[in-house]
Amino acid sequence: AQKVTQAQTEISVVEKEDVTLDCVYETRDTTYYLFWYKQPPSGELVFLIRRNSFDEQNEISGRYSWNFQKSTSSFNFTITASQVVDSAVYFCALRYGQNFVFGPGTRLSVLP
Amino acid sequence: DGGITQSPKYLFRKEGQNVTLSCEQNLNHDAMYWYRQDPGQGLRLIYYSQIVNDFQKGDIAEGYSVSREKKESFPLTVTSAQKNPTAFYLCASSIAGGREQFFGPGTRLTVL
Repeated sequence: AQKVTQAQTEISVVEKEDVTLDCVYETRDTTYYLFWYKQPPSGELVFLIRRNSFDEQNEISGRYSWNFQKSTSSFNFTITASQVVDSAVYFCALRYGQNFVFGPGTRLSVLP
Repeated sequence: DGGITQSPKYLFRKEGQNVTLSCEQNLNHDAMYWYRQDPGQGLRLIYYSQIVNDFQKGDIAEGYSVSREKKESFPLTVTSAQKNPTAFYLCASSIAGGREQFFGPGTRLTVL
Protein backbone atom coordinates (compact mmCIF):
# COMPACT_ATOMS: atom_id res chain seq x y z
CA ALA A 1 0.00 0.00 0.00
CA GLN A 2 1.10 3.55 -0.65
CA LYS A 3 1.12 5.73 2.41
CA VAL A 4 2.62 8.95 3.73
CA THR A 5 3.01 9.58 7.44
CA GLN A 6 3.69 12.92 9.07
CA ALA A 7 3.88 12.11 12.73
CA GLN A 8 4.06 15.72 13.91
CA THR A 9 0.56 17.14 13.98
CA GLU A 10 1.55 20.59 15.23
CA ILE A 11 4.85 22.30 15.93
CA SER A 12 5.44 25.69 17.55
CA VAL A 13 8.77 27.47 17.44
CA VAL A 14 10.01 30.93 18.18
CA GLU A 15 11.21 33.03 15.29
CA LYS A 16 14.79 32.33 14.19
CA GLU A 17 14.75 28.79 15.51
CA ASP A 18 15.43 25.92 13.11
CA VAL A 19 12.67 23.37 12.66
CA THR A 20 12.49 19.98 10.93
CA LEU A 21 9.28 18.47 9.60
CA ASP A 22 9.30 14.69 9.29
CA CYS A 23 7.88 12.63 6.44
CA VAL A 24 7.94 8.84 6.15
CA TYR A 25 6.51 7.09 3.13
CA GLU A 26 5.61 3.56 2.08
CA THR A 27 5.55 2.29 -1.46
CA ARG A 28 6.30 -0.90 -3.33
CA ASP A 29 7.13 0.96 -6.52
CA THR A 30 10.76 1.41 -7.47
CA THR A 31 9.98 4.59 -9.37
CA TYR A 32 8.16 7.26 -7.44
CA TYR A 33 8.25 10.96 -6.66
CA LEU A 34 8.09 12.86 -3.42
CA PHE A 35 6.87 16.39 -2.87
CA TRP A 36 6.46 19.03 -0.22
CA TYR A 37 3.66 21.58 -0.34
CA LYS A 38 2.90 24.58 1.85
CA GLN A 39 -0.67 25.59 2.67
CA PRO A 40 -0.87 29.12 4.11
CA PRO A 41 -4.07 30.35 5.77
CA SER A 42 -5.45 31.38 2.37
CA GLY A 43 -5.84 27.68 1.58
CA GLU A 44 -4.06 27.28 -1.75
CA LEU A 45 -1.33 24.65 -1.78
CA VAL A 46 2.03 25.94 -2.92
CA PHE A 47 4.54 23.54 -4.43
CA LEU A 48 7.96 23.60 -2.74
CA ILE A 49 10.02 20.70 -4.06
CA ARG A 50 9.98 17.47 -6.05
CA ARG A 51 12.35 14.53 -5.65
CA ASN A 52 12.41 11.34 -7.70
CA SER A 53 13.33 7.97 -6.27
CA PHE A 54 16.63 7.82 -8.13
CA ASP A 55 17.97 11.07 -6.77
CA GLU A 56 18.96 11.00 -3.11
CA GLN A 57 20.91 14.19 -3.27
CA ASN A 58 19.92 16.61 -0.57
CA GLU A 59 18.80 20.03 -1.67
CA ILE A 60 19.02 23.49 -0.24
CA SER A 61 16.99 26.48 -1.37
CA GLY A 62 17.56 29.55 0.71
CA ARG A 63 16.38 28.78 4.25
CA TYR A 64 14.80 25.50 3.13
CA SER A 65 16.56 22.16 2.89
CA TRP A 66 15.42 18.62 2.25
CA ASN A 67 16.94 15.33 3.33
CA PHE A 68 15.87 12.29 1.28
CA GLN A 69 16.95 8.88 2.60
CA LYS A 70 15.66 5.79 0.83
CA SER A 71 17.15 3.51 3.50
CA THR A 72 14.71 4.90 6.05
CA SER A 73 11.96 5.90 3.57
CA SER A 74 12.11 9.44 4.81
CA PHE A 75 11.98 12.84 3.15
CA ASN A 76 12.43 15.43 5.87
CA PHE A 77 12.15 19.20 5.48
CA THR A 78 14.15 21.70 7.51
CA ILE A 79 13.53 25.43 7.79
CA THR A 80 16.52 27.34 9.06
CA ALA A 81 16.06 30.60 10.96
CA SER A 82 12.28 30.35 10.82
CA GLN A 83 10.14 33.41 10.22
CA VAL A 84 6.54 34.25 11.05
CA VAL A 85 5.68 33.98 7.35
CA ASP A 86 6.63 30.30 7.49
CA SER A 87 3.53 29.63 9.59
CA ALA A 88 1.40 27.24 7.55
CA VAL A 89 0.40 23.64 7.17
CA TYR A 90 3.00 21.60 5.32
CA PHE A 91 2.13 18.47 3.38
CA CYS A 92 4.39 15.71 2.18
CA ALA A 93 3.10 13.77 -0.85
CA LEU A 94 4.00 10.67 -2.84
CA ARG A 95 3.33 10.13 -6.53
CA TYR A 96 3.27 6.63 -7.99
CA GLY A 97 2.16 6.39 -11.59
CA GLN A 98 -0.62 8.90 -12.04
CA ASN A 99 -1.76 8.73 -8.43
CA PHE A 100 -0.90 10.99 -5.54
CA VAL A 101 -1.21 10.34 -1.84
CA PHE A 102 -0.81 13.09 0.74
CA GLY A 103 0.23 12.93 4.35
CA PRO A 104 -2.06 14.43 7.00
CA GLY A 105 0.04 17.59 7.24
CA THR A 106 2.02 19.33 9.96
CA ARG A 107 0.82 22.69 11.24
CA LEU A 108 3.81 24.94 11.91
CA SER A 109 3.38 28.03 14.03
CA VAL A 110 6.28 30.46 14.19
CA LEU A 111 5.89 32.87 17.06
CA PRO A 112 7.45 36.34 17.03
CA ASP B 1 -1.09 34.45 -16.50
CA GLY B 2 -1.11 30.66 -16.46
CA GLY B 3 -2.84 28.93 -13.61
CA ILE B 4 -5.85 27.22 -12.17
CA THR B 5 -9.02 29.04 -11.28
CA GLN B 6 -11.80 27.81 -9.08
CA SER B 7 -15.08 29.52 -8.60
CA PRO B 8 -16.73 30.53 -6.49
CA LYS B 9 -14.42 30.96 -3.48
CA TYR B 10 -17.30 30.52 -1.03
CA LEU B 11 -20.49 28.65 -1.73
CA PHE B 12 -23.56 28.14 0.40
CA ARG B 13 -26.28 25.67 -0.43
CA LYS B 14 -29.31 24.20 1.23
CA GLU B 15 -29.31 20.56 2.16
CA GLY B 16 -30.61 18.34 -0.63
CA GLN B 17 -29.47 20.57 -3.48
CA ASN B 18 -26.90 19.59 -6.05
CA VAL B 19 -24.09 22.09 -6.55
CA THR B 20 -21.36 22.33 -9.19
CA LEU B 21 -17.87 23.61 -8.47
CA SER B 22 -15.89 25.03 -11.35
CA CYS B 23 -12.25 24.30 -12.14
CA GLU B 24 -10.44 25.72 -15.17
CA GLN B 25 -6.75 25.56 -16.09
CA ASN B 26 -4.77 27.19 -18.89
CA LEU B 27 -1.55 25.30 -18.23
CA ASN B 28 -2.21 22.78 -21.00
CA HIS B 29 -2.04 19.99 -18.43
CA ASP B 30 -3.50 16.63 -19.32
CA ALA B 31 -4.37 15.45 -15.81
CA MET B 32 -6.78 17.10 -13.41
CA TYR B 33 -7.80 16.19 -9.88
CA TRP B 34 -10.37 17.00 -7.23
CA TYR B 35 -9.58 16.79 -3.53
CA ARG B 36 -11.60 17.31 -0.42
CA GLN B 37 -10.08 18.74 2.76
CA ASP B 38 -11.85 18.72 6.11
CA PRO B 39 -10.70 20.92 9.01
CA GLY B 40 -7.40 19.73 10.41
CA GLN B 41 -7.22 16.94 7.87
CA GLY B 42 -5.13 16.08 4.85
CA LEU B 43 -6.32 15.88 1.27
CA ARG B 44 -8.52 13.06 0.06
CA LEU B 45 -8.87 12.30 -3.63
CA ILE B 46 -12.40 12.42 -5.04
CA TYR B 47 -11.90 12.01 -8.79
CA TYR B 48 -9.14 12.41 -11.33
CA SER B 49 -8.93 12.58 -15.08
CA GLN B 50 -5.89 11.91 -17.22
CA ILE B 51 -7.47 12.69 -20.56
CA VAL B 52 -10.55 14.29 -22.03
CA ASN B 53 -13.72 12.20 -21.74
CA ASP B 54 -12.16 9.86 -19.22
CA PHE B 55 -12.03 9.99 -15.43
CA GLN B 56 -11.45 7.66 -12.52
CA LYS B 57 -12.86 7.44 -9.01
CA GLY B 58 -10.61 8.31 -6.13
CA ASP B 59 -10.89 7.24 -2.52
CA ILE B 60 -14.11 9.10 -1.69
CA ALA B 61 -16.09 9.36 -4.94
CA GLU B 62 -19.49 8.45 -3.49
CA GLY B 63 -21.94 11.36 -3.73
CA TYR B 64 -19.84 13.21 -6.31
CA SER B 65 -19.77 13.32 -10.09
CA VAL B 66 -17.46 14.91 -12.66
CA SER B 67 -17.15 15.49 -16.38
CA ARG B 68 -14.19 16.21 -18.64
CA GLU B 69 -15.51 17.46 -21.94
CA LYS B 70 -12.63 19.88 -22.47
CA LYS B 71 -8.98 19.66 -21.56
CA GLU B 72 -9.17 22.93 -19.65
CA SER B 73 -12.22 22.19 -17.54
CA PHE B 74 -13.04 19.63 -14.86
CA PRO B 75 -16.23 20.57 -12.97
CA LEU B 76 -17.26 18.71 -9.83
CA THR B 77 -20.89 18.21 -8.86
CA VAL B 78 -21.67 17.57 -5.24
CA THR B 79 -24.95 15.69 -5.26
CA SER B 80 -27.60 15.38 -2.59
CA ALA B 81 -26.34 11.83 -2.03
CA GLN B 82 -23.18 13.18 -0.41
CA LYS B 83 -24.00 12.91 3.27
CA ASN B 84 -21.57 15.46 4.63
CA PRO B 85 -20.62 17.87 1.83
CA THR B 86 -19.42 20.82 3.91
CA ALA B 87 -15.68 21.01 3.24
CA PHE B 88 -12.89 22.79 1.39
CA TYR B 89 -12.53 21.55 -2.20
CA LEU B 90 -9.26 21.83 -4.08
CA CYS B 91 -8.71 21.29 -7.79
CA ALA B 92 -5.28 20.45 -9.17
CA SER B 93 -3.63 19.68 -12.47
CA SER B 94 -0.37 18.18 -13.65
CA ILE B 95 1.49 17.08 -16.74
CA ALA B 96 2.26 13.43 -17.21
CA GLY B 97 5.48 11.79 -16.13
CA GLY B 98 5.87 12.22 -12.42
CA ARG B 99 5.66 15.94 -12.17
CA GLU B 100 4.08 17.94 -9.38
CA GLN B 101 0.49 19.05 -9.16
CA PHE B 102 -0.48 22.68 -9.23
CA PHE B 103 -3.46 23.72 -7.16
CA GLY B 104 -6.24 26.22 -7.50
CA PRO B 105 -7.27 28.55 -4.66
CA GLY B 106 -10.08 26.23 -3.52
CA THR B 107 -13.81 26.51 -2.93
CA ARG B 108 -15.24 26.42 0.56
CA LEU B 109 -18.65 24.78 0.43
CA THR B 110 -21.08 25.12 3.31
CA VAL B 111 -24.33 23.21 3.28
CA LEU B 112 -26.95 24.70 5.55
